[in-house]
Amino acid sequence: AQSVSQHNHHVILSEAASLELGCNYSYGGTVNLFWYVQYPGQHLQLLLKYFSGDPLVKGIKGFEAEFIKSKFSFNLRKPSVQWSDTAEYFCAATYTSGTYKYIFGTGTRLKVLA
Amino acid sequence: SAVISQKPSRDICQRGTSLTIQCQVDSQVTMMFWYRQQPGQSLTLIATANQGSEATYESGFVIDKFPISRPNLTFSTLTVSNMSPEDSSIYLCSAGATDTQYFGPGTRLTVL
Repeated sequence: AQSVSQHNHHVILSEAASLELGCNYSYGGTVNLFWYVQYPGQHLQLLLKYFSGDPLVKGIKGFEAEFIKSKFSFNLRKPSVQWSDTAEYFCAATYTSGTYKYIFGTGTRLKVLA
Repeated sequence: SAVISQKPSRDICQRGTSLTIQCQVDSQVTMMFWYRQQPGQSLTLIATANQGSEATYESGFVIDKFPISRPNLTFSTLTVSNMSPEDSSIYLCSAGATDTQYFGPGTRLTVL
């Protein structure tokens, strides 16, 4: 079955530290990949997405992610986190060979210490 | 983009009762979905709400327990029927197309 896994469930960083959150997806044909963020008390928001082309994708708020096909990975990065980045981050995938439904990872709760 | 609203935002219900959650999108969208997010867990897709026809349910979810309606391209309802404490969760509506989904604020349901 198609699946998405996130390795880090909880991450605590100090401000200005670099961030990398892992995401792996299972093989299932052509895949579209997403990172969503949920700030405390707010909706899920799209951070960035990858469909094709340049495997390094830049999103909002200084986030980027790299699609590495050989590793089935789509890790999220930010060179210098801020206190306001405290949130829960979800990786998601849709498979174009299927029904386009979104499959979400378990989420990573990030806490940035001021 | 699309803006999605849900009602109610939260509710506390008694065991055995039913609750209907409404989802309104501010623009016509191709797809609408309902998810459940249980405490400490990720989003689990309940079903795809199809306009004018029966919803498509994921494994583990059935129409008798989670009846869904979608009378037009901008509105859908999810009913949680004959509730038990195990149904306590956040229920999320999402809408969009294959390249992006937008999410509602969620309905936090507590069943006593």
